[in-house]
Amino acid sequence: DGGITQSPKYLFRKEGQNVTLSCEQNLNHDAMYWYRQDPGQGLRLIYYSQIVNDFQKGDIAEGYSVSREKKESFPLTVTSAQKNPTAFYLCASSLTRTPSTDTQYFGPGTRLTVL
Amino acid sequence: GQNIDQPTEMTATEGAIVQINCTYQTSGFNGLFWYQQHAGEAPTFLSYNVLDGLEEKGRFSSFLSRSKGYSYLLLKELQMKDSASYLCAVRDMAGGFKTIFGAGTRLFVKA
Repeated sequence: DGGITQSPKYLFRKEGQNVTLSCEQNLNHDAMYWYRQDPGQGLRLIYYSQIVNDFQKGDIAEGYSVSREKKESFPLTVTSAQKNPTAFYLCASSLTRTPSTDTQYFGPGTRLTVL
Repeated sequence: GQNIDQPTEMTATEGAIVQINCTYQTSGFNGLFWYQQHAGEAPTFLSYNVLDGLEEKGRFSSFLSRSKGYSYLLLKELQMKDSASYLCAVRDMAGGFKTIFGAGTRLFVKA
């Protein structure tokens, strides 16, 4: 089956620790995205990547880092510099970054809780 | 600037029809999406409008008026499983075709 997977579904970390969230897709999509979702707010874009070995900051990139070494994978690291990391993190992908084909499809999400 | 407004919550009865409105302001509109999101799960794609008018897909329809900056999602023959959040999202050409998401409308379907 084709799709987007994120692991783990729930993640607990102590304050001050870096943590990496996994996102893998086998849809052969070029573009991948990371969003953060907080209660009562819309999805906010953290980082996105249109092609392997390239990525761009979104609206709330501070305290986060990403890599895109393979087309299928776009891991997100939440660093200790992120002031309020507890949130629901969603990864998405789209076929390309051009307007006609960039409907985004989402993974199941990772709920990160920092204690 | 960019702004998307949709009601926070709505309640409707099983079997009825409900309309969820979305108004938006963008610099360079280039398409509007509706997603459904059950609690704790990923958003799933419902519909896409880029031209004015109504797009029908089974029990769900989506309407767009670009001149008014307005869209609605119409859900017919409501079922209990339709209880979810419905996210309106707009693609904006400004800043590289970003997709901006609204906060979502939580729909409660009661028996």
